[in-house]
Amino acid sequence: DIQMTQSPPSLSASIGDRVTITCQASQDINYSVNWYQVKPGKAPKVLIYDGSNLEPGVPSRFTGSGFGTDFTFTISDLQSEDVATYYCQQYDNFPPTFGPGTKVDVK
Amino acid sequence: EVQLVESGGGLVKPGGSLRLSCAASGFNFRSHSMNWVRQTPTKGLEWVSSISSSGTSTYYADSVKGRFTVSRDNAESSLFLQMTSLSAEDTAVYFCARAPVVGYSYAKFDFWGQGILVAVSS
Repeated sequence: DIQMTQSPPSLSASIGDRVTITCQASQDINYSVNWYQVKPGKAPKVLIYDGSNLEPGVPSRFTGSGFGTDFTFTISDLQSEDVATYYCQQYDNFPPTFGPGTKVDVK
Repeated sequence: EVQLVESGGGLVKPGGSLRLSCAASGFNFRSHSMNWVRQTPTKGLEWVSSISSSGTSTYYADSVKGRFTVSRDNAESSLFLQMTSLSAEDTAVYFCARAPVVGYSYAKFDFWGQGILVAVSS
């Protein structure tokens, strides 16, 4: 299985800050990465698909980039409603696998 | 509005069985592959199983293969997960998740339910 390494495990930032999460795959997965937001008791949401495409309805402050083994997810202007855990997911190889998650908090 | 509502979770003893259901509405259920994904505090998200739109193809994570069975009833817009030989490692919140019409059944999960807790303990 492809292993997805995600960092940092957690972070705390101020409202309006730029937040960056990285995800590294154990082998080349082209652009085959999605990013999800998970809040306790809520349905998870896909934010970014195919590495860099914004899911319809998702605010433009969320962006994704990367190709091959290294991927980046950025929140450009952190809002209070962005408090959540964020996961990367690869689908280039079966089975699909997720990173361990990054918990984002507001200072 | 797309809605996925899981049910059937609860507390079960090791070695026991449980059947999860997911009621879908707001979209053409029979056109979409469906998935089960689980979340634990220690391991995060883990894909569990996929089923094609017609139900003829099913896929499983190695961790559940031979113990879990995914099925669907397109007439009732429902997805199911029959879980047997449960152990503490299966304790998790289980989500049903929809795949887009185009692409692999497990490539992207574009709508999710709120999840249901399954706790395996004596």
